[in-house]
Amino acid sequence: GAVVSQHPSWVICKSGTSVKIECRSLDFQATTMFWYRQFPKQSLMLMATSNEGSKATYEQGVEKDKFLINHASLTLSTLTVTSAHPEDSSFYICSAWGGWPGDEQYFGPGTRLTVT
Amino acid sequence: QKEVEQNSGPLSVPEGAIASLNCTYSDRGSQSFFWYRQYSGKSPELIMSIYSNGDKEDGRFTAQLNKASQYVSLLIRDSQPSDSATYLCAVSGSSNTGKLIFGQGTTLQVKP
Repeated sequence: GAVVSQHPSWVICKSGTSVKIECRSLDFQATTMFWYRQFPKQSLMLMATSNEGSKATYEQGVEKDKFLINHASLTLSTLTVTSAHPEDSSFYICSAWGGWPGDEQYFGPGTRLTVT
Repeated sequence: QKEVEQNSGPLSVPEGAIASLNCTYSDRGSQSFFWYRQYSGKSPELIMSIYSNGDKEDGRFTAQLNKASQYVSLLIRDSQPSDSATYLCAVSGSSNTGKLIFGQGTTLQVKP
């Protein structure tokens, strides 16, 4: 299967600062990348859908000005958590999709964010 | 609201037994169905995908799909302690955007 990387794998930041998470598809061109958040003992929650070269589509209840998504190329999408607060502490996971109906989503290893 | 429902468990089975995981979905237009396995603290990994009615087997895993009943299941034969994880059922919407709707996951415990 395809390989998706995320960087960093974990990050600790102070409240009020911003954190950028990178998601890269290493061996295929991802038409679409998805960003999820997962709290302990809960399922994945889709935050936004990111298409290369266009604005991200955010799910209801997700603040687009707080979670900035950029999808500059077919292999790179970034999520920036702005003015992070302790309640933003979570496991952030990206996935990449090649664009064909029926294709699976390939998940990155996730980034654990802790805001102190 | 398009939904995917799973029993959260935990489902506990003895080593060597068959584990049966079930999932129902509400969107009749769904075309693609996936089972992901997620270990604690890790991201999901694909176990099986299924697109047409019937059974699909891959090693110890069998996925079953019944679109008329809007039901998809995963059977794990000869369960091993290493199979202990949360299993997520994911269903694609009818819009072909790649977007998946995930169930809440079923936690499987395989006891030695």
